[in-house]
Amino acid sequence: DTAVSQTPKYLVTQMGNDKSIKCEQNLGHDTMYWYKQDSKKFLKIMFSYNNKELIINETVPNRFSPKSPDKAHLNLHINSLELGDSAVYFCASSLQGGGGNYGYTFGSGTRLTVV
Amino acid sequence: GIQVEQSPPDLILQEGANSTLRCNFSDSVNNLQWFHQNPWGQLINLFYIPSGTKQNGRLSATTVATERYSLLYISSSQTTDSGVYFCAVNGDYGQNFVFGPGTRLSVLP
Repeated sequence: DTAVSQTPKYLVTQMGNDKSIKCEQNLGHDTMYWYKQDSKKFLKIMFSYNNKELIINETVPNRFSPKSPDKAHLNLHINSLELGDSAVYFCASSLQGGGGNYGYTFGSGTRLTVV
Repeated sequence: GIQVEQSPPDLILQEGANSTLRCNFSDSVNNLQWFHQNPWGQLINLFYIPSGTKQNGRLSATTVATERYSLLYISSSQTTDSGVYFCAVNGDYGQNFVFGPGTRLSVLP
C-alpha cells in the first residue's frame, strides 16, 4: 500500500504539449506539495496546498498549475511544455507544517522528458 | 528564508568503512529529516529527527537544535548505501520544507 503514489513514473512528450501528473496520498495528511529536482539533483519546492491555502513559489512559471479535487489528491498540470521543464517531479504530503511523528512523505517521482 | 548546508558534497568510501555526514541550518526548526535518494531516484525517508538521537540498524542520526546542526552516521557501509543523502528542514515560522544540496556517497566494493 503505497503512501504517496504518482503517475506516470516516466513521461516523454514533445515541446508545446500539455500534460498532467497525478498524485494521491492515503496517509490522512492535510497538506500536499510538488517539488522539482533539476539535473544537478537540487530539490526545490514548487507548490504547497491544503484546503485553506495555495502557496506558489514565485519562480514557478504560470504554465504550471496544481489542481486538487480533494485533500487526498494534488495533480500538476503543465501547459506549453518547454525543453527546460525536463526534470524529475516529486509529490509529497504532510500534516500542516510538517508536524506529527513522520514529517514529510514523498512519492517515487515522475521523470519528465521534453523533446 | 532558512538556509541548509551539507558537507561533504562528495564522499567515496571502501565497503565496511564508517562515515559522518553533516547538515547545518541557519534558523530554528520544527522538523528535520534525512533522506536517501538511491540510484533509481527514489527518496527514502531515513529519519524524522528535529532533535535528539535515533538509530536504525547501521544508521543513526543526531540533531543538536540549539547549535543548528544534524549528523548522520553510517557504519559498516555497504555498496547499497550509495546515492545522495539529503537533509531537509522546516522552519519554526511555517516556512516550506527546504532541502540541502545533498552529499553524494559512493561505496566501492
